[in-house]
Amino acid sequence: EAQVTQNPRYLITVTGKKLTVTCSQNMNHEYMSWYRQDPGLGLRQIYYSMNVEVTDKGDVPEGYKVSRKEKRNFPLILESPSPNQTSLYFCASSRQRWDTQYFGPGTRLTVL
Amino acid sequence: DQQVKQNSPSLSVQEGRISILNCDYTNSMFDYFLWYKKYPAEGPTFLISISSIKDKNEDGRFTVFLNKSAKHLSLHIVPSQPGDSAVYFCAARGTGSARQLTFGSGTQLTVLP
Repeated sequence: EAQVTQNPRYLITVTGKKLTVTCSQNMNHEYMSWYRQDPGLGLRQIYYSMNVEVTDKGDVPEGYKVSRKEKRNFPLILESPSPNQTSLYFCASSRQRWDTQYFGPGTRLTVL
Repeated sequence: DQQVKQNSPSLSVQEGRISILNCDYTNSMFDYFLWYKKYPAEGPTFLISISSIKDKNEDGRFTVFLNKSAKHLSLHIVPSQPGDSAVYFCAARGTGSARQLTFGSGTQLTVLP
């Protein structure tokens, strides 16, 4: 089954404790992206990757890192999480940047 | 400044009636528009799209209308069903090097049985 998976689905952590949210897709897609969803603000792009080893900032990249060492994986790293990063996070992939995106199920992160 | 706006955070409709969800955009360079549907605890899923060279696209009960002069997009669901209750996001795609999606803030549709 074609899908985008994310782990963990739910995470509660404390300020400053490094964490990684994993994302994997099995569709051989070139393009992968991370979004956060906040009330009243919709989906805002954090980082994206056009291909392996090619990443770039989206609209709200501050406080986040990403890497793309393999085509299927695109982890999101929060080196020192802060409460304003409490949000619902989605990973997405598509064949190319302009194609319809397929979203993962989301990761609800709470930073205390 | 939000380039894609969904001004109604919520909408309630009776089962069998028409649901109309609206979306406005400010960037005249957007060339492709999409609607995504999101159920609780799931990621958004693609619903329907329309190119800027068209003014209407239909897929079963779902029709998207585009009014370029007004920079306005709408999604019509006829007839509405309880299973349509979800958050609906509109999204617009830029052109050239900025060909990525910009999303609206979403509208929660509730279809009452």
